[in-house]
Amino acid sequence: RKEVEQDPGPFNVPEGATVAFNCTYSNSASQSFFWYRQDCRKEPKLLMSVYSSGNEDGRFTAQLNRASQYISLLIRDSKLSDSATYLCVYDQTGANNLFFGTGTRLTVIP
Amino acid sequence: NAGVTQTPKFQVLKTGQSMTLQCAQDMNHNSMYWYRQDPGMGLRLIYYSASEGTTDKGEVPNGYNVSRLNKREFSLRLESAAPSQTSVYFCASSWTSGSGNEQFFGPGTRLTVL
Repeated sequence: RKEVEQDPGPFNVPEGATVAFNCTYSNSASQSFFWYRQDCRKEPKLLMSVYSSGNEDGRFTAQLNRASQYISLLIRDSKLSDSATYLCVYDQTGANNLFFGTGTRLTVIP
Repeated sequence: NAGVTQTPKFQVLKTGQSMTLQCAQDMNHNSMYWYRQDPGMGLRLIYYSASEGTTDKGEVPNGYNVSRLNKREFSLRLESAAPSQTSVYFCASSWTSGSGNEQFFGPGTRLTVL
């Protein structure tokens, strides 16, 4: 079983739509959670951290459910520039690296 | 600030050849990492350096060696390249290696081993 499971997509949505991605993780020792964004043939970049209480950054909302071991990312009012692959990521207490999902690909269509 | 830089951007090797991937960061970060990214798989850690003078194995260290040359530079060496090492290699750095620290990635090296 993979450490992090994500629906690979692709998700093709029109501009202005709302889209949500979920990610499940198997390791209950997971400590901190993140969404990273990776554009085609580019490096991953941090989009936002995910906090237990849920957090929002502009059009992006992230939520964490430790009991069910999943995190989510909601994007409102999608823009063409949101087209990318979104990586679900976590780290663990005592570990020194990040654990990455395979990513969910989003294409926003004009 | 350039952030994290990697050289080369692209490389083609024949099986058995050796090469070193270079990585440097100018953010005064203590920790540095090497990942590989393959289709259908998440990024996987090869080696990391929690601080200058230390290196440790990650999830997939076989066939690789690393050197933390100084605080800024962390190199990855393939002694005898194999086709299974065809991948995109990313170097990353963070302020520390503890939980919750954002990692900053370089632009990647696309390596093909024939």
